Amino acid sequence: KNEVEQSPQNLTAQEGEFITINCSYSVGISALHWLQQHPGGGIVSLFMLSSGKKKHGRLIATINIQEKHSSLHITASHPRDSAVYICAAPADTGKLIFGQGTTLQVKP
Amino acid sequence: NAGVMQNPRHLVRRRGQEARLRCSPVKGHSHVYWYRQLPEEGLKFMVYLQKENIIDESGMPKERFSAEFPKEGPSILRIQQVVRGDSAAYFCASSPTDMGAGYGYTFGSGTRLTVV
Repeated sequence: KNEVEQSPQNLTAQEGEFITINCSYSVGISALHWLQQHPGGGIVSLFMLSSGKKKHGRLIATINIQEKHSSLHITASHPRDSAVYICAAPADTGKLIFGQGTTLQVKP
Repeated sequence: NAGVMQNPRHLVRRRGQEARLRCSPVKGHSHVYWYRQLPEEGLKFMVYLQKENIIDESGMPKERFSAEFPKEGPSILRIQQVVRGDSAAYFCASSPTDMGAGYGYTFGSGTRLTVV
């Protein structure tokens, strides 16, 4: 069993749809990262969460530390949101353990 | 204040050559992490360094790979006698703390190594 698991692995949505990506983890200190990566691109940090909920524009991230579960939501999705979304939990020494990523395609 | 700077962005090496990947952390960050992303695979931890010290190298292949973070200058990931299987994107991240849960954990744009 992977220490950080995401679902779904692939997601196709129509523009405007509400999107949810889930992440469960069995390792880590009490925090989680959400990252975004475009094909061939670098890694952008979207959120670092240690409790509750954070919002940035159309992106919302929530975390339940007791259940070791986090969700990333995208409201009013747009084709430019198409990317790979990765959750990552910090383990000992601060190194990150990554989920396998969710490939999102938003169609116009 | 620039973010994490990695160079080169793209590196092509022939089998058997050496590859040197450089990472300059965010100013004031003393913790550097290297990660590798093989084609069609997820990101995997390689090594964690502080200035002049390797703290955790549990993800480094046992042979041909080494890393350093000298007192002055960037962190270097060195791959000797490269093979085709080393072709991957190598990302560096820096942090002001060793917790990984603090603010400021920042990734570089990566170096894409192609071995021909």
